[in-house]
Amino acid sequence: SAVISQKPSRDICQRGTSLTIQCQVDSQVTMMFWYRQQPGQSLTLIATANQGSEATYESGFVIDKFPISRPNLTFSTLTVSNMSPEDSSIYLCSVAQGQGEKLFFGSGTQLSVL
Amino acid sequence: GENVEQHPSTLSVQEGDSAVIKCTYSDSASNYFPWYKQELGKRPQLIIDIRSNVGEKKDQRIAVTLNKTAKHFSLHITETQPEDSAVYFCAASIGGNQFYFGTGTSLTVIP
Repeated sequence: SAVISQKPSRDICQRGTSLTIQCQVDSQVTMMFWYRQQPGQSLTLIATANQGSEATYESGFVIDKFPISRPNLTFSTLTVSNMSPEDSSIYLCSVAQGQGEKLFFGSGTQLSVL
Repeated sequence: GENVEQHPSTLSVQEGDSAVIKCTYSDSASNYFPWYKQELGKRPQLIIDIRSNVGEKKDQRIAVTLNKTAKHFSLHITETQPEDSAVYFCAASIGGNQFYFGTGTSLTVIP
């Protein structure tokens, strides 16, 4: 499977600031996704990062709050904007790769907002 | 989008017993159903998956079954061991375009 590097691994941020999370894959992948996992909860799809076009957001998530870039087939960023304590969560980059497009996850970014 | 329900939310079994986790999905177009294991503080890891053209798949002590008509699928772990203790997530996908996850099952295997 692909090696998915995500950074930062964790951060503590102040309310009202923004954080950009980077996801780098060691091979070209078709699909990249961003998930949020709140403490003790399931994985919620934020958006699909589309190469060369605007991301596709799930219900409840908007571009102004979670802008996403995907300049090429190996890299994507997720920005969490104007943060509040409710944004404290683990953010996971994931890629669909291989025969049948199996889904694999990066190591995650643990975000705490004070 | 797809709605995936998962039961039970917690499960405790004695070492050596079997564990069964069940999921249902809502979108009949879903055709790929992976299962993930997540240990504390780690990323979810794919452990087994099944496609809609298959009814059952086994890999050593784990197996997954799929009933397309009823729109449900299950994970079976036999001869459980303490290292099987983790949170397990089911998911459903339409052709790998989006993946929607169940709410998770916290499995504890008691030595």
